[in-house]
Amino acid sequence: EIVLTQSPATLSLSPGERATLSCRASQSVSSYLAWYQQKPGQAPRLLIYDASNRATGIPARFSGSGSGTDFTLTISSLEPEDFAVYYCQQRSNWPPEYTFGQGTKLEIK
Amino acid sequence: QVQLVQSGAEVKKPGSSVKVSCKASGGTFSSYAISWVRQAPGQGLEWMGGIIPIFGTANYAQKFQGRVTITTDESTSTAYMELSSLRSEDTAVYYCASGAVAGTRFDYWGQGTLVTVSS
Repeated sequence: EIVLTQSPATLSLSPGERATLSCRASQSVSSYLAWYQQKPGQAPRLLIYDASNRATGIPARFSGSGSGTDFTLTISSLEPEDFAVYYCQQRSNWPPEYTFGQGTKLEIK
Repeated sequence: QVQLVQSGAEVKKPGSSVKVSCKASGGTFSSYAISWVRQAPGQGLEWMGGIIPIFGTANYAQKFQGRVTITTDESTSTAYMELSSLRSEDTAVYYCASGAVAGTRFDYWGQGTLVTVSS
């Protein structure tokens, strides 16, 4: 089973600052990594897929990078609505399973 | 744009079963895969299993093998997740999520269904 480890667990920043979130896989996942945003009481929302592609309607301030085992989600300039929990996720070919990282909470400093 | 609408909250006794539904609209039901993901209070996301309606075959996370059953009804574009032998640790919000067949991500999510297991 591929394990995804996100860091940091909590990130405290102010609006306007740049946020950098990390996701590390226990073995290569090629570029098949996605990022989600989840706000309290809401379902997760897809932000980035295949490591660097923004999902439909996602603002350009969100970007993803990486391949293999190390991935990064960057928010270039934080807006008030960006403070939430972020999860990375991958799909393994065999067995065909999906796994999520444990999440990074982005909070207002 | 696919929309997924789930059934309402449930309260169950330990040892019983729960069946949650997920009705899809806005797309061709048989052309995508449906997964179930749960989230215990204050915890992260956990994939339970998924199904491809056009094939009718489901696969499950090893942790839930033997306890979860995922099915679909193409006539109503609805997916179901049944979890048996409930225990308090199964108290969680259960989400259905859809993506491409053999896809690597979940493009659309249901609103979630809270299942509370309590004596």
